[in-house]
Amino acid sequence: AQSVTQLGSHVSVSEGALVLLRCNYSSSVPPYLFWYVQYPNQGLQLLLKYTSAATLVKGINGFEAEFKKSETSFHLTKPSAHMSDAAEYFCAVSEETSGSRLTFGEGTQLTVNP
Amino acid sequence: ETGVTQSPTHLIKTRGQQVTLRCSSQSGHNTVSWYQQALGQGPQFIFQYYREEENGRGNFPPRFSGLQFPNYSSELNVNALELDDSALYLCASSLGRGGGGDTQYFGPGTRLTVL
Repeated sequence: AQSVTQLGSHVSVSEGALVLLRCNYSSSVPPYLFWYVQYPNQGLQLLLKYTSAATLVKGINGFEAEFKKSETSFHLTKPSAHMSDAAEYFCAVSEETSGSRLTFGEGTQLTVNP
Repeated sequence: ETGVTQSPTHLIKTRGQQVTLRCSSQSGHNTVSWYQQALGQGPQFIFQYYREEENGRGNFPPRFSGLQFPNYSSELNVNALELDDSALYLCASSLGRGGGGDTQYFGPGTRLTVL
């Protein structure tokens, strides 16, 4: 069965600082991994996804994530935080054997301080 | 904008009632999935439809049911509402037939409150 753990339900950074949001997954087969962002009272927007083409995945708004099989991790980073990055971030996993159903982590609320 | 719309935006029901939530997928997207997001939690998979047939179901009771129509619209029906059904309900559409790497595009959600 697939599962996702997001370490840190709340992360606070200063504007211009590095953003690091942690995600570890569990999967019995090669996974597909996703990061979504959710702004207040809105749906989910895809930031990036890993589908085995390249371990370093670049997404929108300057975010990127690196797939590390040995660590079963897919951490999300951004070199310099902007105030507009404040939102909830969800890591999700899917497997070919379970179709495109996504299993989400509990989410990480990112606060950006001026 | 993902091109996925949902209605209504908000809904208030009382325990025991029935509710129908609606979703309009992107044109050409044959797969639609529904998720329940309780406050402060990640979304949980309810079920998925591909070309009007159920194509997978999560750990939700049978009182959660769905329909998908040929015009890329779909419905989530919940019978005998319980207080714990209060949540944001998200639908997501995808182009493929439900393969693991398919990107799902989410709508803005319907906020259901059960009193």
